[in-house]
Amino acid sequence: LAKTTQPISMDSYEGQEVNITCSHNNIATNDYITWYQQFPSQGPRFIIQGYKTKVTNEVASLFIPADRKSSTLSLPRVSLSDTAVYYCLVGAYSGGGADGLTFGKGTHLIIQP
Amino acid sequence: DTAVSQTPKYLVTQMGNDKSIKCEQNLGHDTMYWYKQDSKKFLKIMFSYNNKELIINETVPNRFSPKSPDKAHLNLHINSLELGDSAVYFCASSQWTGELFFGEGSRLTVL
Repeated sequence: LAKTTQPISMDSYEGQEVNITCSHNNIATNDYITWYQQFPSQGPRFIIQGYKTKVTNEVASLFIPADRKSSTLSLPRVSLSDTAVYYCLVGAYSGGGADGLTFGKGTHLIIQP
Repeated sequence: DTAVSQTPKYLVTQMGNDKSIKCEQNLGHDTMYWYKQDSKKFLKIMFSYNNKELIINETVPNRFSPKSPDKAHLNLHINSLELGDSAVYFCASSQWTGELFFGEGSRLTVL
């Protein structure tokens, strides 16, 4: 069973900031939070990973509250090309078994002009 | 340079046949995986190999047999194909950071 819960779909418009939240109430001490993006007919692609507080890279930010029971992927100023399915994974780097490698249903983000 | 490459990209075959999908990664990673994505888009882990050793086998039917000749290759052989095997199969690899690098997928259609 996936350890995470995400909204099934979200809509937004070009130029807006989009925040996708993932719930992971049973996150373990050794678990990291990783987000992936998948376009149709392609494999998932790594976006960002974090353990606590805030992580930012060139494409997104990841906000993790102190209790780590949820996380929020923030995409600044989205464009049409950000339309994709976004997956949140929770698991340890190694030895975590299949749970940490299980993708949930993901969030289908649709960006409109 | 393609980091994780799979062949073939498309595969159409009849029920009962045996088929193989090959995967190669040039990232120097120790761990490789096979995932199955069905029509409902659920992405499920099937197998994981670390340095040619099977470490995860997620209750996949015995008809599926992975083989890792070396740590850069992980092949998937499927015997006696069934209609329910139709899906996109993704190969992936990772190193100690946990970031998964996926191939482009192999779409299997069983008629």
